[in-house]
Amino acid sequence: DAMVIQNPRYQVTQFGKPVTLSCSQTLNHNVMYWYQQKSSQAPKLLFHYYDKDFNNEADTPDNFQSRRPNTSFCFLDIRSPGLGDAAMYLCATSSYRSGQPQHFGDGTRLSIL
Amino acid sequence: KNQVEQSPQSLIILEGKNCTLQCNYTVSPFSNLRWYKQDTGRGPVSLTIMTFSENTKSNGRYTATLDADTKQSSLHITASQLSDSASYICVVPEESNYQLIWGAGTKLIIKP
Repeated sequence: DAMVIQNPRYQVTQFGKPVTLSCSQTLNHNVMYWYQQKSSQAPKLLFHYYDKDFNNEADTPDNFQSRRPNTSFCFLDIRSPGLGDAAMYLCATSSYRSGQPQHFGDGTRLSIL
Repeated sequence: KNQVEQSPQSLIILEGKNCTLQCNYTVSPFSNLRWYKQDTGRGPVSLTIMTFSENTKSNGRYTATLDADTKQSSLHITASQLSDSASYICVVPEESNYQLIWGAGTKLIIKP
């Protein structure tokens, strides 16, 4: 089945130690998104790619970076994680066409020690 | 300000019963409204998308309605099952279609 796959499902890192989360998709969608979701809150959009065109949300901290080497893969890099960065990180994809749903992966739960 | 509000905040019903969840939005301009189901610890899953011209749409035991005049939508679940226990989130995209305005969700618990 076509899907969005995130690895790992659970990630533990130390305060200040860089960490990379990965996302792959078999849907061949042009658009990929990274969200941060904290407990009992709505997902917060960090950035999205339209093909290779990177779009950063205004309030996304500089600590968060992303790479999209090809259509299928996208990475979220957190350069110096703080305790406040502990959250679920969701990757999503969508077609560029208006009115199409975003398809989400099951997320990576990041813990900071 | 673009907003999406949902009610109730939480709901407990017995297995086999029906329920209806509500969503009010103030997003303008409006193109479509989406209902997602999110199980604990999982990503959201799309249940249905309602466009401006659609009043009712069904997906199995889920039926969504939309009244674009009053800016209201509902999600009706028929013959609930234990696996329906989840958060149900109403989402309306902003004009760009990339930025989604999320409701706070309704946490539904189905008891045997």
